Amino acid sequence: EDQVTQSPEALRLQEGESSSLNCSYTVSGLRGLFWYRQDPGKGPEFLFTLYSAGEEKEKERLKATLTKKESFLHITAPKPEDSATYLCAVQARGGGNKLTFGTGTQLKVEL
Amino acid sequence: DAGVIQSPRHEVTEMGQEVTLRCKPISGHNSLFWYRQTMMRGLELLIYFNNNVPIDDSGMPEDRFSAKMPNASFSTLKIQPSEPRDSAVYFCASTHGWGPTETQYFGPGTRLLVL
Repeated sequence: EDQVTQSPEALRLQEGESSSLNCSYTVSGLRGLFWYRQDPGKGPEFLFTLYSAGEEKEKERLKATLTKKESFLHITAPKPEDSATYLCAVQARGGGNKLTFGTGTQLKVEL
Repeated sequence: DAGVIQSPRHEVTEMGQEVTLRCKPISGHNSLFWYRQTMMRGLELLIYFNNNVPIDDSGMPEDRFSAKMPNASFSTLKIQPSEPRDSAVYFCASTHGWGPTETQYFGPGTRLLVL
């Protein structure tokens, strides 16, 4: 059974204090690893898809990386507007379009 | 584009009542997904459709849950009878195609409270 574990559950940062969120996964053949951002009261919003170990993708202050066992979401010099819950999900080969999500990391960036 | 539309946004009902949640996917998208989100279990896939045909309903928790997609622009998720443990946020998502590069776009969700 595919499993996704995210850590930490919650993270509090000062504005400008860089950090990383972790996503560990177990899947029978990775087809893709996805990062989403979710704001309170809203649906998840797509950020990145990574397909193979060593791949990296960037968007503004966010950079996602992938190894064979985990993915990291690096946040550089965060701002208060980066506060949200960040969700990681995996898609397995042979699993169609099914995504298995982790429970997320709740990020709070303070002034 | 209006994005994925869900209704109602909030639903409060009493145990034993029938609940129907509705979803309109993004125009032109041919895959539709129903998820349930709780604090304890996170976001769980309930069922998904491709070209209006149910592909995988292994996440549907019990026979009390049923989903239909009568056409490409409408889907329903029904709970009958509802129970307090069904209280959660239910999301609908859609994608344009079937490949791994297809992004799932989520609706705003329906917050369900069963008393």
